[in-house]
Amino acid sequence: GQNIDQPTEMTATEGAIVQINCTYQTSGFNGLFWYQQHAGEAPTFLSYNVLDGLEEKGRFSSFLSRSKGYSYLLLKELQMKDSASYLCAVIDSNYQLIWGAGTKLIIKP
Amino acid sequence: IAGITQAPTSQILAAGRRMTLRCTQDMRHNAMYWYRQDLGLGLRLIHYSNTAGTTGKGEVPDGYSVSRANTDDFPLTLASAVPSQTSVYFCASSRNGPAGTDTQYFGPGTRLTVL
Repeated sequence: GQNIDQPTEMTATEGAIVQINCTYQTSGFNGLFWYQQHAGEAPTFLSYNVLDGLEEKGRFSSFLSRSKGYSYLLLKELQMKDSASYLCAVIDSNYQLIWGAGTKLIIKP
Repeated sequence: IAGITQAPTSQILAAGRRMTLRCTQDMRHNAMYWYRQDLGLGLRLIHYSNTAGTTGKGEVPDGYSVSRANTDDFPLTLASAVPSQTSVYFCASSRNGPAGTDTQYFGPGTRLTVL
């Protein structure tokens, strides 16, 4: 079966750096998305990776290793507004989007 | 520009009743999707439409139906609601389908409780 694993919950301190990991086992791979979802709100797009390496976008970066079936989202200079769930989603060989359950990130002052 | 709107925002429904969740987008996106989101689970695709006039089944289609008469609207109908359909429902759209090829934009969601 297809599976995406993310930690259920993480806690970090305001101003610090946090890395949210995502490992996947899917039938093929055609790209990986990260979305942010604040409580009670809709998911919003953060990043897309299809090639190995690091994609940087302001305070957020996303890394992909296709050979390891692994991605991470790196958040720097954490702000209270970064408290949210972070969803990893993988495009499989049939171009279907497989979603992880998400990682709830709690930021403490 | 509103993006994607959903109605109602929330609803409490008696089991056995019929219910239609509405979804409208003004981005002229070709593809639209319906997901349900339950605690501890990832978003699960119910139905999708890659273009007006076509629909397809997702991962959890049983008990739900959709139609896509035009580009903008993609209603989801529960013919006879059951308590296991209690969930938060998100409508999404992307410029093109299939689901995995383009960034998806989500509506605000409908919180449905079936008693």
